[in-house]
Amino acid sequence: AQKVTQAQTEISVVEKEDVTLDCVYETRDTTYYLFWYKQPPSGELVFLIRRNSFDEQNEISGRYSWNFQKSTSSFNFTITASQVVDSAVYFCALVKTSYDKVIFGPGTSLSVIP
Amino acid sequence: KAGVTQTPRYLIKTRGQQVTLSCSPISGHRSVSWYQQTPGQGLQFLFEYFSETQRNKGNFPGRFSGRQFSNSRSEMNVSTLELGDSALYLCASSLQGNNSPLHFGNGTRLTVT
Repeated sequence: AQKVTQAQTEISVVEKEDVTLDCVYETRDTTYYLFWYKQPPSGELVFLIRRNSFDEQNEISGRYSWNFQKSTSSFNFTITASQVVDSAVYFCALVKTSYDKVIFGPGTSLSVIP
Repeated sequence: KAGVTQTPRYLIKTRGQQVTLSCSPISGHRSVSWYQQTPGQGLQFLFEYFSETQRNKGNFPGRFSGRQFSNSRSEMNVSTLELGDSALYLCASSLQGNNSPLHFGNGTRLTVT
């Protein structure tokens, strides 16, 4: 069975600190896709990144970076120099194919304190 | 490009009633999926439609149903509402399906009293 675990329920950091959000997944499939989504207080989930199981390259986008490690089944997300606007709930998600169910993790609520 | 539009934004219903929620996807997106979000259960997949065909369904009772029209717009229906159906219902559209980036609407907040 597929599963996504985000062990950190809530995190609080002071502005400009770096923070890493953990995501551990379980799947028996060799081909799958991993995602991160951000849900600000307004409620609309926003896509951040997609990774397929064959691409283990780390990715950096501005202050955001992602570390994908198949060996540990982890897909962690780091925000560098956090800002108040980063305050949101972040979801990690796993899906096999275009028509399969998306399995979301429980989410990590990040609060960035000014 | 207009984003995903969900209507209504808020809805209050009583137990036993039925409700229909609407979702207009981004132009050109053929896949629409629905999710239920609650504090206790998190985000749960309801169903996914592609070109008017339901390709997958989550573990929800038959009271939850949906459909997609030829213009890709989608509706979901919940019959015989229960208190536990109170939730934020989110619709997402994508080009190819669930392994493509999902673009979410603002959701419909359903309260069942």
